Amino acid sequence: SQQGEEDPQALSIQEGENATMNCSYKTSINNLQWYRQNSGRGLVHLILIRSNEREKHSGRLRVTLDTSKKSSSLLITASRAADTASYFCATALNQAGTALIFGKGTTLSVSS
Amino acid sequence: EPEVTQTPSHQVTQMGQEVILRCVPISNHLYFYWYRQILGQKVEFLVSFYNNEISEKSEIFDDQFSVERPDGSNFTLKIRSTKLEDSAMYFCASSQTGPVGSPLHFGNGTRLTVT
Repeated sequence: SQQGEEDPQALSIQEGENATMNCSYKTSINNLQWYRQNSGRGLVHLILIRSNEREKHSGRLRVTLDTSKKSSSLLITASRAADTASYFCATALNQAGTALIFGKGTTLSVSS
Repeated sequence: EPEVTQTPSHQVTQMGQEVILRCVPISNHLYFYWYRQILGQKVEFLVSFYNNEISEKSEIFDDQFSVERPDGSNFTLKIRSTKLEDSAMYFCASSQTGPVGSPLHFGNGTRLTVT
């Protein structure tokens, strides 16, 4: 399965601290995507990183990809209470890319 | 910004009844998806749809499920005879190209409760 698995399952930090979430996957990928889900809402796309990229930034988000280790990390710097959400990595089901499969997610709680 | 809209936001039905969940994807998107999320659990892929046909489906998407794009704007998920275990949030998503190349845009879901 292409499925990504996030680690840790849950993370609690204080506002201002950095949060790091990891994702491991099993087979080769074309890209890896990170999504965020606020409680009871739909998923929101954060970043797409391609297999030939090692690092990508978007505002306070930094994503790295290590294809040799089949892993990715999402770093949120200077976290805010509003960052409280679940974060998921996602990879394509197969080489044809007919579906996107999500991991179990990391639940991030940021307290003020 | 264009968004995916889903109706209804909450649907309560009795076991054995048919339900239709509706979605309006983003207008220039070509790929459409249904996912479900049982409370507190992972987001599970159900089906992807392109060019008026199913391109991929999961083991969950059995004969009780069907999808349709009845016109140029709507994308529906039908559950023929609901079971208690079908209770979940159902999310519709769309993308401009396939999921390998572009992000998915999700609606806010329909909460299905089967009693």
